[in-house]
Amino acid sequence: QVQLQQSGPGLVKPSQTLSLTCVISGDSVSSNSVTWNWIRQSPSRGLEWLGRTYYRSKWKNEYAAIVQSRIAINADTSKNQLSLQLNSVTPEDTAVYYCARAPGKGEGYGFQIWGQGTMVTVSS
Amino acid sequence: DIVMTQSPDSLAVALGERATINCKSSQSVLHSSNNKNYLTWYQQKPGQPPKVLIYWASTRESGVPDRFSGSGSGTDFTLTISSLQAEDVAVYYCLQYYSLPWTFGQGTKVEIK
Repeated sequence: QVQLQQSGPGLVKPSQTLSLTCVISGDSVSSNSVTWNWIRQSPSRGLEWLGRTYYRSKWKNEYAAIVQSRIAINADTSKNQLSLQLNSVTPEDTAVYYCARAPGKGEGYGFQIWGQGTMVTVSS
Repeated sequence: DIVMTQSPDSLAVALGERATINCKSSQSVLHSSNNKNYLTWYQQKPGQPPKVLIYWASTRESGVPDRFSGSGSGTDFTLTISSLQAEDVAVYYCLQYYSLPWTFGQGTKVEIK
């Protein structure tokens, strides 16, 4: 049974970097049949996909245009986890952040397994 | 980007009655290679992440009650709760995973009348 456990600070100051971690159990971050995603949810923007990382002979990343210039998603194979870094945050980045597993497109589902969510507030 | 538009934004249904939620995509999410619609329906309750109900537009996830069903193809989709139960009070979302960025509808809040 795949489980995702998120951690990270709930309060970040404007212009600083938001950093979250998602520990994976029951699967490998290096699996070549899934992608590992970050999604956020806010009342003003709804559910919004931010980006993903995945391994297909080499590591690949894809990011949403809205955050592309200030986001990094990385995998740590030694800890079987993925991370999110979002730079230069503003109050607009206040949201609940989720990590999520997506099986290969041939399996359907979209985002199948979700972390528990982390509420991040950007405020001084 | 594919825009997903749900209707209505909210609805109140009596216990035991039918609830119908619509989702329209700005372009087709039917993949010609496998004739599958790349659309998932989620249920979200307060303080919880979304939970998969239906994928491939009409395939019920294991463990989901059979009062939940999905239909539609191309750009128009429907989630039906055939007999609303108290535990179905939640917000429901559609997601297209046909092309990046994967995008969600704005959500439909279902309440008891």
